[in-house]
Amino acid sequence: GAVVSQHPSRVICKSGTSVKIECRSLDFQATTMFWYRQFPKKSLMLMATSNEGSKATYEQGVEKDKFLINHASLTLSTLTVTSAHPEDSSFYICSARAHGAISYEQYFGPGTRLTVT
Amino acid sequence: AQRVTQPEKLLSVFKGAPVELKCNYSYSGSPELFWYVQYSRQRLQLLLRHISRESIKGFTADLNKGETSFHLKKPFAQEEDSAMYYCALSGPGDKLIFGTGTRLQVFP
Repeated sequence: GAVVSQHPSRVICKSGTSVKIECRSLDFQATTMFWYRQFPKKSLMLMATSNEGSKATYEQGVEKDKFLINHASLTLSTLTVTSAHPEDSSFYICSARAHGAISYEQYFGPGTRLTVT
Repeated sequence: AQRVTQPEKLLSVFKGAPVELKCNYSYSGSPELFWYVQYSRQRLQLLLRHISRESIKGFTADLNKGETSFHLKKPFAQEEDSAMYYCALSGPGDKLIFGTGTRLQVFP
């Protein structure tokens, strides 16, 4: 149980285009989903927290108009990188937390490797 | 500011040797600390948390508030322990703050 999927696992896009990454909780309802970004040889950095049915809360320094997050249902959150640039190339990881779960009970997706050319 | 520091990027040991992965934190308050592990080609998963004081796969970690440390230890490393290990702190709003990770390589 408690499986989180991400789609796509890998995407290459051209500079200036937008790309959408999906995060799904497959066997539980996730009231909260988190989006992380991981730079090579660096830590996971929390980008934003999304709660189902409400606006995402972005961390300091993360452009909300650049990284659009939608959490429209209890099993799906999407991250759209708008007008992507090469510096947006990174590994994006989502995690999901079930309703009523304790803070640390986050289940992680496998990640999406974004390459902007 | 809340911060987690893992000073070693890589730790290499031989099978059967003791292992200690270092983690230091900075947090004003009572922290909740965790170790996450990522095996090759697998997703990040929770290994253990300090409040449970449990031993998972032979690993233990003790919270030392005086030294602000939460080092991960195992007396006898196994090859299957080779993975990336991340120390994490639960901060305000239940957010997880991760260290930069330590890659553990266990040689046969």
